[in-house]
Amino acid sequence: AQKVTQAQTEISVVEKEDVTLDCVYETRDTTYYLFWYKQPPSGELVFLIRRNSFDEQNEISGRYSWNFQKSTSSFNFTITASQVVDSAVYFCALSGESGGSNYKLTFGKGTLLTVNP
Amino acid sequence: DGGITQSPKYLFRKEGQNVTLSCEQNLNHDAMYWYRQDPGQGLRLIYYSQIVNDFQKGDIAEGYSVSREKKESFPLTVTSAQKNPTAFYLCASRPGSGSISTDTQYFGPGTRLTVL
Repeated sequence: AQKVTQAQTEISVVEKEDVTLDCVYETRDTTYYLFWYKQPPSGELVFLIRRNSFDEQNEISGRYSWNFQKSTSSFNFTITASQVVDSAVYFCALSGESGGSNYKLTFGKGTLLTVNP
Repeated sequence: DGGITQSPKYLFRKEGQNVTLSCEQNLNHDAMYWYRQDPGQGLRLIYYSQIVNDFQKGDIAEGYSVSREKKESFPLTVTSAQKNPTAFYLCASRPGSGSISTDTQYFGPGTRLTVL
C-alpha cells in the first residue's frame, strides 16, 4: 500500500521568510511519481511539479524548489522569500506502477501555509 | 481556452435526493477522475475512467455513480445512499499515453455540495 505523510498540519510565517513543507512517502514500487499541488482558497488544485523515481535531481522554479531524497523517502518543498499570495493548502501526492496504467494518486492530508504581511 | 469546468460551484440538496455534478474538459485528455475532499483531509478517489464507456470504482465509490458516454464529460451522481455527502468534489483529467505528461492529473475548480 502507498502512503503519503505531511506531518505539518499548519505553518505560519511572516512575509519574506523561507519555509519548507515536508513530505514523506511509502511505496514498494520501483517506478513511482511524486507531485505537489497548491490549493488556494478558491479550491482548485494547481499542479506545481512532478518528479519520477529515477530522477533525484533537485529542481528550482523561481522562488520554489524541491528536494527529492530516495534514501529518506522524502520530497520536500521550499518557498524562498514567501509572499502573501503563497498562502494556501499544499498537497503532496504519489502514484506508482502498482496502481497500473491509471496513475491513481495517493494524497497526503495537506499543509496549510499562512503567510502574514 | 482549454481547461476543466465543473458546475455548479455550490450545490445544495435535501436529504434523500439524488444530485448530479458536472465535469467537462476540452483538453482532449483520455482519463478522468472524481475525488472527494473533507475538511482537513486529503483527497480520496471516488471513480475513474480511462476510456469512453468504461470506468472503475475508487476507494470510496459507495453511494456514487458515474457515466462516461463522451470523452469530454464525466458526470458524478451522488445518490441518496451516500450517508454523508456534504463535501468538496474535485474532478481531474489526465492526458493519454502518447503525452509526455501522461502521469499528471489536472484539476477543475470543484463543486461544494451541502446536504440540508
